[in-house]
Amino acid sequence: QSALTQPPSASGSPGQSVTISCTGTSSDVGGYNYVSWYQQHPGKAPKLMIYDVTERPSGVPDRFSGSKSGNTASLTVSGLQAEDEADYYCSSYAGNNNFVFGTGTKVTV
Amino acid sequence: QVQLVQSGSELKKPGASVKVSCKASGYMFTAYPMNWVRQAPGQGLEWMGWTNTNTGNPTYAQGFTGRFAFSLDTSVNTAYLQISSLKAEDTAVYYCARDFTGNGAFDIWGQGTVVTVSS
Repeated sequence: QSALTQPPSASGSPGQSVTISCTGTSSDVGGYNYVSWYQQHPGKAPKLMIYDVTERPSGVPDRFSGSKSGNTASLTVSGLQAEDEADYYCSSYAGNNNFVFGTGTKVTV
Repeated sequence: QVQLVQSGSELKKPGASVKVSCKASGYMFTAYPMNWVRQAPGQGLEWMGWTNTNTGNPTYAQGFTGRFAFSLDTSVNTAYLQISSLKAEDTAVYYCARDFTGNGAFDIWGQGTVVTVSS
């Protein structure tokens, strides 16, 4: 199972929006509505930001939103804040009780 | 509160074995699958596999068969990851993570256990 493809980096100014893509195949991202997004600050454990493509866990600001089109999922962070600077990873169900993570994107604010 | 607490850092020599523990509290341990994720130094997240905490049945990702073993002790709400015949490339942070939907939504993570393999 190959890792999902994400851009290595993305950036935006405070208050702006940034969108991160996550490209897979019809066997993972395109085949199921089970894409999740995680935020990871240096030295910390990842934090779930989006699950099931568009759902936000309680406590996650509505500035974070997810979508999917075909084999590509996206995470949009609106109204960027300094604390949004982190690494972001997507993941997807890949069939046969397997999951796969994306390559990760470093977001700079 | 709901949390996963992992065992402390380990320094091992090549060829040795290590067992990492992940103790759950604040929720019904057997109600949610437990996953394991590896992060090598400066690298991304890598899904290692998961354990059905109800049946104990493990599923291993490609690349994590043979030397890796998941186990449970439901009497103490703890999941374990054992790695045998350690190699330098096993040096990483290992996380346990609860899947609250069963479809890959890892909502609770352990703090991570650093395993260093060096002679």
